[in-house]
Amino acid sequence: AQSVTQLGSHVSVSEGALVLLRCNYSSSVPPYLFWYVQYPNQGLQLLLKYTSAATLVKGINDFEAEFKKSETSFHLTKPSAHMSDAAEYFCAVSLYNQGGKLIFGQGTELSVKP
Amino acid sequence: DTGVSQDPRHKITKRGQNVTFRCDPISEHNRLYWYRQTLGQGPEFLTYFQNEAQLEKSRLLSDRFSAERPKGSFSTLEIQRTEQGDSAMYLCASSLGGGANTEAFFGQGTRLTVV
Repeated sequence: AQSVTQLGSHVSVSEGALVLLRCNYSSSVPPYLFWYVQYPNQGLQLLLKYTSAATLVKGINDFEAEFKKSETSFHLTKPSAHMSDAAEYFCAVSLYNQGGKLIFGQGTELSVKP
Repeated sequence: DTGVSQDPRHKITKRGQNVTFRCDPISEHNRLYWYRQTLGQGPEFLTYFQNEAQLEKSRLLSDRFSAERPKGSFSTLEIQRTEQGDSAMYLCASSLGGGANTEAFFGQGTRLTVV
């Protein structure tokens, strides 16, 4: 069965610093991978998705993620953190012929210090 | 297009009571999903619909839970005889098509507290 592991439930960075949020997946077949962001008391918003077209995926707000099959990883990065990036981030996997349902990791809370 | 809307946003109920939540998806979306999110965890899949047909139910969806999408538009999720363990955020999402690479759009959720 597929699963998603996010390393680090809390990450804290200074404003302007690099953001790195880690995600590893387990799947017996090629997965589709997603990163979602959730602001307090809000629903989830899609940041970016990997659908096998390109291993480096660019998303909204200067976020990007790189699919590495050999490492079964899909880490999320942003070159320079902004205060408004403080939120909960979820990595998710979806498989072909699974109805489009998403399997989520447990989430990483990102704090940005001034 | 106002996005996915859920009602109510918050619900406090006493243990043993029944509750019903409503989800209005984006109008042309034929897929509708329900997820449950507990504190400090990622959302967990509960069930999904293709138009009015319920195609899959998770083992998390006990007999006390029932979901409907009667006309292929809005959906309701009912929990009977609520328990404290039902306290969670219930999220609804919709998509156009059900491909594995299709973006799902989420509502703001209904936060249920069972006291």
